Amino acid sequence: QKEVEQNSGPLSVPEGAIASLNCTYSDRGSQSFFWYRQYSGKSPELIMFIYSNGDKEDGRFTAQLNKASQYVSLLIRDSQPSDSATYLCAVKGLSNAGKSTFGDGTTLTVKP
Amino acid sequence: DAGVIQSPRHEVTEMGQEVTLRCKPISGHNSLFWYRQTMMRGLELLIYFNNNVPIDDSGMPEDRFSAKMPNASFSTLKIQPSEPRDSAVYFCASSLLGGASGGAGDIQYFGAGTRLSVL
Repeated sequence: QKEVEQNSGPLSVPEGAIASLNCTYSDRGSQSFFWYRQYSGKSPELIMFIYSNGDKEDGRFTAQLNKASQYVSLLIRDSQPSDSATYLCAVKGLSNAGKSTFGDGTTLTVKP
Repeated sequence: DAGVIQSPRHEVTEMGQEVTLRCKPISGHNSLFWYRQTMMRGLELLIYFNNNVPIDDSGMPEDRFSAKMPNASFSTLKIQPSEPRDSAVYFCASSLLGGASGGAGDIQYFGAGTRLSVL
């Protein structure tokens, strides 16, 4: 079992719809959770991080964390074609010192 | 701030040659990470440093790979000898571990990457 698993995708949604990206992790002691966006040919950039159970909202983005279920998700409301990218989930475990483990990513396409 | 700076952006070399990738982290950051990204294997952590000291090099694929961080503002990743299977995009990232509460200190800032092609 991988430490961090994401739905394999690709995920395609129409413009204006809600895109839902999911991530599960195996280390129950994980502390911090990150969503990075990576456009094709570019480097990953952080869009959200969350460390407490519940929801965290930032503009059109909402991160949801459920530590009991070892599950973190990212919702993108009113999806735009510019949201088309690969989304990487990263998890920092209790035993990992300074490093985070990345999932393989989910590629999202938003169709006009 | 200029962000994380990597050089070169592109490197094409022949099998057996030595390759050196360079990284300048964000000023003031205390942790530096080297990653490799391929379509097949995704983003893999090779090694990371904290306060210039290598903490975890378990991701370094083999002895052909080595990394150094002689000071807080510079790191190198060397491959000698290079092989075609080393072709990938290599990213450097930095963070300020312990510099903020609630996970913000673990945010990693990535450089633009070096695209390596070994022929």
